[in-house]
Amino acid sequence: EVHLLESGGALIQPGGSLRLSCAASGFTLDTYAMSWVRQAPGKGLEWVSGISASGGTTYYSDSVKGRCTISRDISSNTLFLQMNSLRVEDTARYYCAKSQGDMYYFALDVWGRGTTVAVSS
Amino acid sequence: IELTQSPGTLSLSPGQRATLSCRASDIIDSTYFAWYQQRPDQPPRLLIYGASTRATGIPDRFSGSGSGTGFTLTINTLEPEDFAVYYCHYFGTSLLTFGQGTKVENK
Repeated sequence: EVHLLESGGALIQPGGSLRLSCAASGFTLDTYAMSWVRQAPGKGLEWVSGISASGGTTYYSDSVKGRCTISRDISSNTLFLQMNSLRVEDTARYYCAKSQGDMYYFALDVWGRGTTVAVSS
Repeated sequence: IELTQSPGTLSLSPGQRATLSCRASDIIDSTYFAWYQQRPDQPPRLLIYGASTRATGIPDRFSGSGSGTGFTLTINTLEPEDFAVYYCHYFGTSLLTFGQGTKVENK
């Protein structure tokens, strides 16, 4: 069974850094593209970042470009999102999601339950 | 590409039909268009991709249609578990985007 489990969320001060993790099971990360999608409290979905199955291509929303880095470790089958210079507006629940294919142009067919990031002084 | 969903909230009763709309700011390829359902305190679930193809395990009361700039999600005969928020999604460029959501609430 395909499963995603996020971790790493925390309460952190503005300007701080955090690394989110997403442990995948039931498939390998070098087969499918992956994305991070966030949801601020009471708000809608916002795509944050993606990585191709090969790992050779990464994508970022304008809201996090230059502050976040997506990566993965094939040996542990884990996806990461390194977040730096965190802002109050980064407060959200962060979901990792599996793509139906190897690049961004496929729908997101499996989602984890998310991990919460709260940025506050 | 920006996606605008309407209405913001749809108040219906079980057994009724729900019709949700999503309008794109420019013509898009329906191959790269999807709908998701999000129940309270749950992650999103893929319902429809390619504008009209139901994802695995999705009941046939859910159907998607549309092309160009206008897309529709129809839920025939609402079941109690269908009251949720629905999002449209475009992934035809490397800047993926979601609509703001339509809440289907129990009247």
